[in-house]
Amino acid sequence: DIVMTQTPLSSPVTLGQPASISCRSSQSLVHSDGNTYLSWLQQRPGQPPRLLIHKISYRFSGVPDRFSGSGAGTDFTLKISRVEGEDVGIYYCMQGTQFPWTFGQGTRVEVK
Amino acid sequence: EVQLLESGGGSVQPGGSLRLSCAASGFNFRIYGMSWVRQAPGKGLEWVSTISDTAENTHYADSVQGRFTISRDNSKNNVYLEMNSLRADDTAVYYCAKILWSSRIIDYWGQGTLVTVSS
Repeated sequence: DIVMTQTPLSSPVTLGQPASISCRSSQSLVHSDGNTYLSWLQQRPGQPPRLLIHKISYRFSGVPDRFSGSGAGTDFTLKISRVEGEDVGIYYCMQGTQFPWTFGQGTRVEVK
Repeated sequence: EVQLLESGGGSVQPGGSLRLSCAASGFNFRIYGMSWVRQAPGKGLEWVSTISDTAENTHYADSVQGRFTISRDNSKNNVYLEMNSLRADDTAVYYCAKILWSSRIIDYWGQGTLVTVSS
């Protein structure tokens, strides 16, 4: 199974300041079709997860452009350019390159 | 608007069974794969199972293989998760989720249904 490791596990941020979350996979997420199936999800308190980014850097419908994704191979990053109050929650990376699909442990973003 | 409504959760004793249902609306259900993902209390997300649009292909996490069965009824826009031989570590909120297979992603999630396995 592909293990997804996120750092940090907790990220206290000041509103209006940037935040960054890293995700590393135990093996390359490049699929035989050439795509890299790495996505990022946000889970606000008491809510189901919500898709933010797919295929490393494509923002899903309705996602603000302050969210961006980057990376390649085994190393990926989610960046929030200016954290807003509604961004508080837990962020997960997920790989869909091979079954079983696996998630990172989650990174809690909270306001200082 | 995509809507996924889970039902069937509840409390069950170890070794017991439950059947979860998910009613889908707001999209052409029969052309999309579907998944179940669970989240133990205070823990992270764990993918459980995926079924293709025609039900021809199914996949399971090792932790549920042989105990859980995913199925779907495209005439009713429903997906199901039959859970047998339940264990305490199956306690979790179970989310029904829609898949976009071309991007290997879960693009929409239900609100979840809680399954508690306890004596």
